[in-house]
Amino acid sequence: QLQLQESGPGLVKPSETLSLTCTVSGGSVSSSSYYWGWIRQPPGKGLEWIGSIYYSENTYYNPSLKSRVTISVDTSKNQFSLKLSSVTAADTAVYYCARLKMATSDFDYWGQGTLVTVSS
Amino acid sequence: QSALTQPPSASGSPGQSVTISCTGTSSDVGGYNYVSWYQQHPGKAPKLMIYEVSKRPSGVPDRFSGSKSGNTASLTVSGLQAEDEADYYCSSYADSNNFWVFGGGTKVTVL
Repeated sequence: QLQLQESGPGLVKPSETLSLTCTVSGGSVSSSSYYWGWIRQPPGKGLEWIGSIYYSENTYYNPSLKSRVTISVDTSKNQFSLKLSSVTAADTAVYYCARLKMATSDFDYWGQGTLVTVSS
Repeated sequence: QSALTQPPSASGSPGQSVTISCTGTSSDVGGYNYVSWYQQHPGKAPKLMIYEVSKRPSGVPDRFSGSKSGNTASLTVSGLQAEDEADYYCSSYADSNNFWVFGGGTKVTVL
């Protein structure tokens, strides 16, 4: 059974860089059939796609966040990561990592999510 | 503001049906048959309920069904049960500028 687990600091200061890692178990980030993505959800609000990566390191970013986002993959550790720079309080959210099926463009497996608060 | 438009709330009594709409444009919902629906209970991660407009993953009850007409997709939950009370989000593949977009979510209440 595929499992995804987010990890990283729960508190980030304004103007700093948010860094999260998603560890994949029961499957491989090197699979040619899937993208791997990040989605966030501000408290009490809806879902927002942040970006996705293919194991070959092709990346796709939400245009509204593109200037601040970097997603990378580490096939040796079976992990992929998110970096979001110059954060503000508006970036406070639960951050989810998820698997995205290439053939059908849906997010079929999700991590449990991790709350990141931006505050001084 | 979300890329896809959903009603904020919907409700129905146990055993009844509820339908949620998801309106986009020809660049997303109307342009591709890659609409998916997710159920989210409070404090939990979203769960895939429908993919490719109308297909159900293994384990999802057939009470959940999806359809699409033009730029609007719909999710219908038939025979409402208490455990169906949750937030529901639609998503669509979009054009090469936006890639994947979500709706704002609909809270379904079982009366």
